[in-house]
Amino acid sequence: NAGVTQTPKFQVLKTGQSMTLQCAQDMNHEYMSWYRQDPGMGLRLIHYSVGAGITDQGEVPNGYNVSRSTTEDFPLRLLSAAPSQTSVYFCASSPTYSNQPQHFGDGTRLSIL
Amino acid sequence: AQKITQTQPGMFVQEKEAVTLDCTYDTSDPSYGLFWYKQPSSGEMIFLIYQGSYDQQNATEGRYSLNFQKARKSANLVISASQLGDSAMYFCAMRVYTGANSKLTFGKGITLSVRP
Repeated sequence: NAGVTQTPKFQVLKTGQSMTLQCAQDMNHEYMSWYRQDPGMGLRLIHYSVGAGITDQGEVPNGYNVSRSTTEDFPLRLLSAAPSQTSVYFCASSPTYSNQPQHFGDGTRLSIL
Repeated sequence: AQKITQTQPGMFVQEKEAVTLDCTYDTSDPSYGLFWYKQPSSGEMIFLIYQGSYDQQNATEGRYSLNFQKARKSANLVISASQLGDSAMYFCAMRVYTGANSKLTFGKGITLSVRP
């Protein structure tokens, strides 16, 4: 099983550029989420979705957009990258309202110059 | 709103000894779950153990156990017989199961170093 697949694994952008981080899962999970991890800050929730067509903001949503057109995919868009968005990004999925743990992708290390 | 607090500074433990990593949480919802994850230096997130708010017994998974004290709102992870491979960052997280909000909230993590 592929689980949660994130692409790319590494990316360097210039300030002002846009890009999309891809996330796909093959476990038919309703719940998907995006986190960013910064030193000393733990994992902070950016956006999440409880099903196709339903998304909501997390703790740090500014500068990021998401959409959920299918159960499998949950892309994260940076419309105009800023140095403050330099971070490691994790996508995760799980059944909603479940005691099952979230399955995490391997992460995307993003640097904004 | 949910909140997870992990305030211990970097923790050190001697190999083969036990260590407790602290986690306190705050929620007004009666139905919730608590998760512990391990993140080694390679970066992946590894699920360790789960405790539900209505579970009568403390969760155990191999060398991992959870000291769940509901009245104190604490869910401390106990690692017995520490191994060098236990050196990692450890995160406590909580998910509530009432209402439309089922998001997972993480603490800031604790770094554990196991000494040979």
